[in-house]
Amino acid sequence: KAGVTQTPRYLIKTRGQQVTLSCSPISGHRSVSWYQQTPGQGLQFLFEYFSETQRNKGNFPGRFSGRQFSNSRSEMNVSTLELGDSALYLCASSLSQTTSGNTIYFGEGSWLTVV
Amino acid sequence: AQTVTQSQPEMSVQEAETVTLSCTYDTSENNYYLFWYKQPPSRQMILVIRQEAYKQQNATENRFSVNFQKAAKSFSLKISDSQLGDTAMYFCAFMNPGNQFYFGTGTSLTVIP
Repeated sequence: KAGVTQTPRYLIKTRGQQVTLSCSPISGHRSVSWYQQTPGQGLQFLFEYFSETQRNKGNFPGRFSGRQFSNSRSEMNVSTLELGDSALYLCASSLSQTTSGNTIYFGEGSWLTVV
Repeated sequence: AQTVTQSQPEMSVQEAETVTLSCTYDTSENNYYLFWYKQPPSRQMILVIRQEAYKQQNATENRFSVNFQKAAKSFSLKISDSQLGDTAMYFCAFMNPGNQFYFGTGTSLTVIP
């Protein structure tokens, strides 16, 4: 069974640009969540999607947005990039949000560098 | 809001020895889940072990075991017979009934040959 797949793995953007990151969950998983990892702030929760609906949202500005498609694949978008957005963006999937306690499984992440 | 605290930023252990990583958390919830994830240099987050708060028995996975003290809100990870491949960043995580995760700041573990 394939794991969580994130694309692209590495990218460099310029301040002010926008970026879209993609995540394909493990087959059968319907919940997808996104995290930002930086040396200073650690792992911070961005948002979670289940059945194309955002169910949870972290404390990030509106420049960070996401969506989930009917096949459970998810994208996150960051507009008007700032230097501080440079980070590893991790996607994770789990079976369902209808029951609690489901383990989340992570992808390898997308490294974003803003210059 | 839930918080997760890992008070040991860095630790080291001799190969084949035992090491314990500490984690405390703060919550008003009664039913929740706790996890330890490992992040090696490849950056792939890997589940090490999980514990359901309603279970009194401590979870064990091969060389990895936890000491879960619900009243003290403590969830430490014990690694026995440490191996070089255990070198990684270890994150303690709390999941509330709403399935939202909160992570600690991590403990960098180095296994010395």
